[in-house]
Amino acid sequence: DADVTQTPRNRITKTGKRIMLECSQTKGHDRMYWYRQDPGLGLRLIYYSFDVKDINKGEISDGYSVSRQAQAKFSLSLESAIPNQTALYFCATSDLPGFYGYTFGSGTRLTVV
Amino acid sequence: LAKTTQPISMDSYEGQEVNITCSHNNIATNDYITWYQQFPSQGPRFIIQGYKTKVTNEVASLFIPADRKSSTLSLPRVSLSDTAVYYCLVGDPPYSGGGADGLTFGKGTHLIIQP
Repeated sequence: DADVTQTPRNRITKTGKRIMLECSQTKGHDRMYWYRQDPGLGLRLIYYSFDVKDINKGEISDGYSVSRQAQAKFSLSLESAIPNQTALYFCATSDLPGFYGYTFGSGTRLTVV
Repeated sequence: LAKTTQPISMDSYEGQEVNITCSHNNIATNDYITWYQQFPSQGPRFIIQGYKTKVTNEVASLFIPADRKSSTLSLPRVSLSDTAVYYCLVGDPPYSGGGADGLTFGKGTHLIIQP
């Protein structure tokens, strides 16, 4: 099993619909992150969480919300999807301070039509 | 976070050594340099991290000059499977009292290895 699992892998949804992307990890890491990747733009940080009681906005949080249900689970929601949210979404985890390497999931390809 | 500049793309051949240089002129004292590799439709994978001089692991080497304003990722004897996008990131680890967490990934360098 993968260390960081994202579901679904692919999703097509309609404009205005609510959608949730889920992420679970078996790394035992406290820190979890959601990134968005658009062609030619690299990865941009949406939200991150240091523990279940901590949620922080990244550089592009507008239109998104998150929930940290447990240490191992971090969900990203689009309350009302719009076409420019079509992208590849990645969840990542990170160890305690002292090691700044991330473990990424395989991504969710979301298309909003 | 320090801004990084790296080539958009590079080509090389199997068996060659590939060096990808990243410029980070405004790197801060507490910043570390980290490189990731990303294959199509996969999440980035951590390759190597360093602060100064040279770091080597089983995958790559990272060379950082004394002024730390640039760094070079060296991939020895590349193969076709090394074709990927390589990202250079600079950031202040949380344990150093850094600010916002979450590394910023730029556009990366698309490395293409040919037979």
